[in-house]
Amino acid sequence: AQSVTQLDSHVSVSEGTPVLLRCNYSSSYSPSLFWYVQHPNKGLQLLLKYTSAATLVKGINGFEAEFKKSETSFHLTKPSAHMSDAAEYFCVVRGPFSGGYNKLIFGAGTRLAVHP
Amino acid sequence: DTAVSQTPKYLVTQMGNDKSIKCEQNLGHDTMYWYKQDSKKFLKIMFSYNNKELIINETVPNRFSPKSPDKAHLNLHINSLELGDSAVYFCASSQARGASYNEQFFGPGTRLTVL
Repeated sequence: AQSVTQLDSHVSVSEGTPVLLRCNYSSSYSPSLFWYVQHPNKGLQLLLKYTSAATLVKGINGFEAEFKKSETSFHLTKPSAHMSDAAEYFCVVRGPFSGGYNKLIFGAGTRLAVHP
Repeated sequence: DTAVSQTPKYLVTQMGNDKSIKCEQNLGHDTMYWYKQDSKKFLKIMFSYNNKELIINETVPNRFSPKSPDKAHLNLHINSLELGDSAVYFCASSQARGASYNEQFFGPGTRLTVL
């Protein structure tokens, strides 16, 4: 079965310092993995996706993630945090293909706080 | 331009009432979804429709009844509301292409509070 575990429920960084949000996945086949961001009182927005092409995936707003099969990880990073990065981040794995369609399986989320 | 819109944004109601949440997308997608986000921010899919046909139906009480009058709309009706129904409900849409993943676009959410 597919699942994702976000290792930190809260991460706090200072503006201008690197961001690391950790995600481990479990999948019985080659996974498709995503990171979504949810700003306060807003809907979810896709940051980036991995679908078995390049293992280092670049997304919007300077974020990137690296797929590491040996570690079953898909950590999200950004070299320098900005105040506007404060949000909830969700690691997501595509569920099994059934009935002609996939569903998304969300991690529990990591709240990123950015301090001046 | 709003891609996926939901109404209302906030809904406060009493236990036992019946309420509906509406969702519309103007992206031309053929697949729409309803997700529930609980107080701990955990997101779980409830339903999915493709071309007005129900394709994903998770274990959801039958008090919840989705209705898709056309490809651009997916409404959620909830009967006999309970305290545990309090959550944020997100609508999403995508263009299905078989096994290939296509990005799901999410609406802004509807915060339902049951008193």
